[in-house]
Amino acid sequence: NAGVMQNPRHLVRRRGQEARLRCSPMKGHSHVYWYRQLPEEGLKFMVYLQKENIIDESGMPKERFSAEFPKEGPSILRIQQVVRGDSAAYFCASSLTTDPTGELFFGEGSRLTVL
Amino acid sequence: GQSLEQPSEVTAVEGAIVQINCTYQTSGFYGLSWYQQHDGGAPTFLSYNALDGLEETGRFSSFLSRSDSYGYLLLQELQMKDSASYFCAVRDLAPNAGKSTFGDGTTLTVKP
Repeated sequence: NAGVMQNPRHLVRRRGQEARLRCSPMKGHSHVYWYRQLPEEGLKFMVYLQKENIIDESGMPKERFSAEFPKEGPSILRIQQVVRGDSAAYFCASSLTTDPTGELFFGEGSRLTVL
Repeated sequence: GQSLEQPSEVTAVEGAIVQINCTYQTSGFYGLSWYQQHDGGAPTFLSYNALDGLEETGRFSSFLSRSDSYGYLLLQELQMKDSASYFCAVRDLAPNAGKSTFGDGTTLTVKP
């Protein structure tokens, strides 16, 4: 049973370009979360999605950032017109609806570098 | 909102016991979780406390006291491979019960 798959693992963009990060949750998981981590810092919540629905996007900047989790295919975190401050590791996690612990299963992350 | 505080760094020697504390301010939560992260890789789940008291899983134990807004992770018989970052996290109440808010993490260094 494959874990949470994220790609690309590393992405380099110049200022003003777009970054698209993809996440395939674990099989059977219907909840997806995106977290952002700066070096030596914690995991900052960005957005929580279920299939075709955004449940909570309170941690995601209103401008330039968007996320989706379509009926078919992976979840996508999209960052438009990237700036240097967007350089970070972006982690995707998934969970089971029925797990009372709410255990999150994380991918290896996508490391975005903005030049 | 939710906020959690942890010490930024802890150092201990191999074979020792170390306790990583987590204090929190929340508007309510389901439970307190702990995650381990090695070298910026994928965080992995260690333990979960829904109720007050101690939960033991092998060399790791976790404790929660809701009345004190406090929890801790206890690592026994430390091994070099335990050197990692450890994060406490609270799981929100419904309707966002899937969302977890993380502390900034504690970097544990285990020395020979």
